[in-house]
Amino acid sequence: ETGVTQSPTHLIKTRGQQVTLRCSSQSGHNTVSWYQQALGQGPQFIFQYYREEENGRGNFPPRFSGLQFPNYSSELNVNALELDDSALYLCASSFGGGSNQPQHFGDGTRLSIL
Amino acid sequence: RKEVEQDPGPFNVPEGATVAFNCTYSNSASQSFFWYRQDCRKEPKLLMSVYSSGNEDGRFTAQLNRASQYISLLIRDSKLSDSATYLCVVNVGAGRRALTFGSGTRLQVQP
Repeated sequence: ETGVTQSPTHLIKTRGQQVTLRCSSQSGHNTVSWYQQALGQGPQFIFQYYREEENGRGNFPPRFSGLQFPNYSSELNVNALELDDSALYLCASSFGGGSNQPQHFGDGTRLSIL
Repeated sequence: RKEVEQDPGPFNVPEGATVAFNCTYSNSASQSFFWYRQDCRKEPKLLMSVYSSGNEDGRFTAQLNRASQYISLLIRDSKLSDSATYLCVVNVGAGRRALTFGSGTRLQVQP
């Protein structure tokens, strides 16, 4: 097991609603990255948190926001949900320092927007 | 142009076959390279890192050609359990730890 846990596993929302997804990083990891994976595509980087601060952001609008807590767990918040937000949301943790550190993924949260 | 491009497949091969996947990346500043494996409706899992000198892990061999910005994965003696989507992954580095994924190549090993 990777040690990265995400909740909830599945979620159904309607357009315009807001959602919060949660991630607990693997023990000893201080960096959490969030990815969105649409059907048939590779994961797309949303943003990364390192030591409770945003440390890079992909091409996602401001309605995608996040937090990292002192225990390095993290939340992804999405406001004003749109149909295209339906996807698998993956959280990955790693230990900061060096770009060659592999990232370990959680099982993901499957979000469906009706 | 996508930052990381892969042939989507599917590659349908018999058990015992050798199969090769290719991947190209556009950012010449890329510093780290990986192959991840993703089973249907599961999370991606690291298969192997890719080093400039090429590296092997059992039946799996990865190669990197920085001049051509090209990465490959060779699987020998395919097993049914190798059926999955293989994701080519690149990290630009320079303090940025985000991974850039290709869309994946689907492999189906047939009995």
